[in-house]
Formats: sequence, C-alpha cells, structure tokens
Amino acid sequence: EVQLVESGGGLVQPGGSLRLSCAASGFTFSSYWMHWVRQAPGKGLVWVSRINGDGSRTNYEDSVKGRFTVSRDNAKNTLYLQMNSLRAEDTAVYYCARDASSSRSFDYWGQGTLVTVSS
Amino acid sequence: DIQMTQSPSSLSASVGDRVTITCRASQIISTYLNWYQQKPGKAPELLIYAASSLQSGVPSRFSGSGSGTDFTLTISSLQPEDFATYYCQQSYSTPWTFGQGTKVEIK
Repeated sequence: EVQLVESGGGLVQPGGSLRLSCAASGFTFSSYWMHWVRQAPGKGLVWVSRINGDGSRTNYEDSVKGRFTVSRDNAKNTLYLQMNSLRAEDTAVYYCARDASSSRSFDYWGQGTLVTVSS
Repeated sequence: DIQMTQSPSSLSASVGDRVTITCRASQIISTYLNWYQQKPGKAPELLIYAASSLQSGVPSRFSGSGSGTDFTLTISSLQPEDFATYYCQQSYSTPWTFGQGTKVEIK
C-alpha cells in the first residue's frame, strides 16, 4: 500500500525557516517524481515544487524560488522541503504527492502538515 | 503560466442529479488535464487523469471529457458521498496549475 506521511510543520516567525519531510512507503520511491502542493486556509490548491527520481532536476513556483529547496534521500525514502525566509502568505497545509508518471497527475497524497507563519 | 478557470464556483444539487463542472485553460493543453475531489480536512484524491481516464477505484458515475482548452467533469447520478470540492489541474507545463475549485453542496 502506497503511503506518504508528512511531518515538520508548526508555528514559525516571519523570516524563519522550517524543513518539512515526507516519508514514503509501498512503492519504489526512487522511480517517481515527487511534488509539494500547498493550500492556504480556506483557499485552493497551489503547486509548489517537484523533483525527479534521482534528485537531479527540480522546479519551483515563482513565489518560492530562491527561498524553498526540494530534495530527497532515496536511501531513506524521504522527500524534503526546506523553507527559508518564510512569509505570512506561506501559511498553508503542505501536501506531498506522487507523480503518476505517464499521466503527470498526482495519484497519491499525504495527509498534509500545517505551517503557520506568524509573530 | 497557464490559467485554469472552473465554472461554476459552487453549485447546489440533490442526490441523483446529474452534475457538470467545466474547466477552461488559458492555452491549449492537449489532454493534460486532471480532476481531483477534496473533502473538508482531507487530502485531495485523483478522480480523472489525462482528461478522460478514470483512476482505479473511482466509481464509474464520474467521467471526464475534453481536449485543447475546454474540459468537463460529469457526475451522472450524485451520491451523498460526492458532496465535496472539485479541482481541475493542468500538467502540460510547469508551473502545474489548478482551477479555483467547485464546491458541490446539498440542495
């Protein structure tokens, strides 16, 4: 059974940093692109970032470029999102999601972890 | 960036109704269009991928159609568990973008 479990969310002050993790199981982690998607309270879904299977290729949404870094440790089956210079508008539930490859859809999602940026 | 526009933003329907949600892309995206269902407090779930392919385990009352810029999600006979918010998403080019969502409520 495919499982994705996020952790690392919490309350952080503006300008602070946080690292999110997503532990994957039930599939060959290194064979899949992985994504981060966020959802501000009461708002819609926003794609944040993606990384390919060996970690050599990444893409970011414009508002997080230069502040967020996606990475992965295939030996630990874990995806990461390092978030620096956090702003109030980064407050959201952050989901990790698996890319279904052929269809480029998100076929499995984690339960999400809440990041709150506030003083 | 490709903009995705869903309509309506919300709708009220009764159990058994046929429901149609539309999604329009700001440029041609072939069939790189996916649909998700999200219930309150839960992660989204994939319903339809590549515009018209039903994800494994999804009831057959859900269907998708369209190509190019205009797409449709249809629920043939609305069930109580279908009351949720639905999102379209394009995977033609990064940044992947979602529609603003359509909330399906009980009439």
